Order: sequence, then structure tokens, then C-alpha cells
Amino acid sequence: GAVVSQHPSRVICKSGTSVKIECRSLDFQATTMFWYRQFPKQSLMLMATSNEGSKATYEQGVEKDKFLINHASLTLSTLTVTSAHPEDSSFYICSARQGGFDEQYFGPGTRLTVT
Amino acid sequence: GESVGLHLPTLSVQEGDNSIINCAYSNSASDYFIWYKQESGKGPQFIIDIRSNMDKRQGQRVTVLLNKTVKHLSLQIAATQPGDSAVYFCAEKQGSYIPTFGRGTSLIVHP
Repeated sequence: GAVVSQHPSRVICKSGTSVKIECRSLDFQATTMFWYRQFPKQSLMLMATSNEGSKATYEQGVEKDKFLINHASLTLSTLTVTSAHPEDSSFYICSARQGGFDEQYFGPGTRLTVT
Repeated sequence: GESVGLHLPTLSVQEGDNSIINCAYSNSASDYFIWYKQESGKGPQFIIDIRSNMDKRQGQRVTVLLNKTVKHLSLQIAATQPGDSAVYFCAEKQGSYIPTFGRGTSLIVHP
């Protein structure tokens, strides 16, 4: 099956710093990538949808200036958490799909801890 | 769509029992449904899917049932094993739209 990777798997950063998370589709071209956030014992909350070469579409309540998303190629999307605060600590998961009717493949997630 | 961000309900079973995990969806126009398994600290993994023109689909040890009349989806796991312990999410999708995830159920399998 299709493989999606994320890097890093875990990151600890200090409050006020920025951290970048990468999402890569390893064996297919992803026209669309999705970024989710998940708090402990809760469901996945969609943050934004990014299409290659265009600006990301953010869900209501998600600050686009805080969570910068770039989808510069068909195999790579990045999420940058700017000026991170402890409340940004969460599990961030990306997913990718090739076309609109295609299955969505999830990455393994990135655990962000802001101290 | 389904509510998200709520705390997860829990289903506890004994090893070897059959498990049934339920999901209510909200969009009567959804035409594709997926079950995912998420182990602790990992991303969701696809288990099985079903299209709206079917009411049952079987995989290896798993069966998905779809009742469109009451907008209900279930996942049955036969002979549940400790390795099945995880959180299970259903997702509904309409056409090419983005899937909407359900709240999830935590399955705990006791040896």
C-alpha cells in the first residue's frame, strides 16, 4: 500500500520557538495533503487541506498565521508551528491522497511537546 | 458531520470474544465509509471500507455493516486478540469531499 512518512516523530521545543513538521508521500504523488491535530483520547481534528501549488484551506478556528502550511511538491507538505506555546502540544498527523476519490493514507504522526 | 473532539467511549472485551464497534453518521448523502484503527502513538491505519450500495462487507476477521436507513455503521471483529486493542474510528465521505471522522471507540482486549 501507499506509504506516508512524517519527520520528526517526536519534537520538544521551547515556548516561543517555531518547529517544522514534514509529511512525505513515498511512493505516490499526492495532489492533496491534510493536516490533523489530535489531543489525548480524542478524535482527529482537521486543521487544513493543502493542494500542491496552491494556498492551504484552513478549518474554522485554525490560525493560518500560526500554523503555516506549504505544499510545494507532489510528495512533500510541511506544517510550521510558529511561536509555539504549551497549548500547542499535541499529536499532529498528516494524510495524503492522489485524487479526490482516492483513499487517504495517514502518516505515523508527530508528537510535539512545547515546554 | 459527526462531532469531533469528544472523549472516547470504551469497549472492553475478553480475548477470543467477538467485538462490535458502532458508529452513527450524520450525512445521508455520504456514499463511502471507512474504518480506521489507531494504535497508541501512531497514525490511523485503514481496516476496511464499504460503499453505500452495499450493506455488508467482509475482510479478514472483520465485517462492516451499513444501515443507511438509520445512518449506522458497525465494525465486527471476530475472535478479538490483544493486538486488536486500539482506538477505532469510522469516517464518512461524500464524493470527492474530505472524509469526516467520528469520535472513535477505544477497544481494550483483556487476555
